[in-house]
Amino acid sequence: IAGITQAPTSQILAAGRRMTLRCTQDMRHNAMYWYRQDLGLGLRLIHYSNTAGTTGKGEVPDGYSVSRANTDDFPLTLASAVPSQTSVYFCATSLDTSTDTQYFGPGTRLTVL
Amino acid sequence: QKEVEQDPGPLSVPEGAIVSLNCTYSNSAFQYFMWYRQYSRKGPELLMYTYSSGNKEDGRFTAQVDKSSKYISLFIRDSQPSDSATYLCAMSGGSIIQGAQKLVFGQGTRLTINP
Repeated sequence: IAGITQAPTSQILAAGRRMTLRCTQDMRHNAMYWYRQDLGLGLRLIHYSNTAGTTGKGEVPDGYSVSRANTDDFPLTLASAVPSQTSVYFCATSLDTSTDTQYFGPGTRLTVL
Repeated sequence: QKEVEQDPGPLSVPEGAIVSLNCTYSNSAFQYFMWYRQYSRKGPELLMYTYSSGNKEDGRFTAQVDKSSKYISLFIRDSQPSDSATYLCAMSGGSIIQGAQKLVFGQGTRLTINP
């Protein structure tokens, strides 16, 4: 693994279904983030994690949950998907949350019908 | 008013031209300024990082910060078709979310360099 991987690359999902987006890093960074990117709105922070075992809410957390059981993995779960969650989702990492430089994964393109 | 404003473009210039990309911001507490480049269907990648006011040069790229005007710029000299991408400005130092630095992004400017 080189850097940050995300899975799936893309997904079409029926409304009401549960979906987990996966993010794995091998950089041993403490902090991890989930963003969504929408046309005209830019990147918006959904949830973040300072370190394994801790998580926090970003700007747009409603409808999403995260967990951080270990350093490398930071899954994002949509418990009951809605069409407004159609977006491109990016996972990012930084050495720690006091460091501004963030590194991004390749993204997951999600369509909720 | 958004904390960070960036003209979404699109901006189209001929190869070899000098490109100027800009962002304005409203939060005077911002201290760290970044430019990310995002190719189509890829994640953003860090291009330039500067702290406070001043210039920083890296090859054909120059980042400029004017804190007094709350204005940052990215200049690309001798632009190449491979520079075609969306460029996002980002900044932080303005607020903390439960102990984490909040990174605020501009909308991104879509740039095309025509051969």
